[in-house]
Amino acid sequence: QSALIQPASVSGSPGQSITISCTGTSSDVGGYNYVSWYQQHPGKAPKLMISDVSYRPPGVSNRFSGSKSGDTASLTISALQAEDEAVYYCSSYRTSATVVFGGGTKLTVL
Amino acid sequence: QVQLQESGPGLVKPSETLSLTCAVSGYSISSGYFWGWLRQSPEKGLEWIGSISHTGGTYYNPSLNSRVTMSVDTSKNQFSLHLSYVTAADTALYYCTRGGRAAATDAFDIWGQGTMVTISS
Repeated sequence: QSALIQPASVSGSPGQSITISCTGTSSDVGGYNYVSWYQQHPGKAPKLMISDVSYRPPGVSNRFSGSKSGDTASLTISALQAEDEAVYYCSSYRTSATVVFGGGTKLTVL
Repeated sequence: QVQLQESGPGLVKPSETLSLTCAVSGYSISSGYFWGWLRQSPEKGLEWIGSISHTGGTYYNPSLNSRVTMSVDTSKNQFSLHLSYVTAADTALYYCTRGGRAAATDAFDIWGQGTMVTISS
């Protein structure tokens, strides 16, 4: 079982918004503002979409946004597009200087 | 444009040492950043193995600490991973990455394409 808990799948229609949750503990998500989100298309390496909870790296669409409340972080994708269909992973710094990941959420664009 | 490329054997025997190298182009490692290794398998998902600074400081996942060694060769602009006493559980797709400037555990913004390593006799 992965250290951070994500739903196995979410879906939405083009133009809609979806939110993916990532639940940890006070030792990781809840204790630090070091949550990241990665997008992975089949056969490709993960791509950084959000870092430090809500920072969007240059080149990442502003349709992607991140937030956190307590031990749960969230990734919201607005105005869904077909190209957003992928697996999304969250990660967080954890006490004792390590990085932990969620099990991934498959986003299906209907 | 910064690019990373992993290289190394695709098949390693159990109990031996897995060795991979990551060649960096488009950026001089000696200029900064942390450089990391991660792996991905169906069983364990994504897993951070560890990171190394441009000055050679190393930071390893505590769960792998006793078996991991990383090094950096600024003259060749590459960094390496050595994982000893491998078992079938180490079979995975291995990625080299660029991390942040400030800490070994910063987000990974550039990834290599990945190299598959299978542990089998």
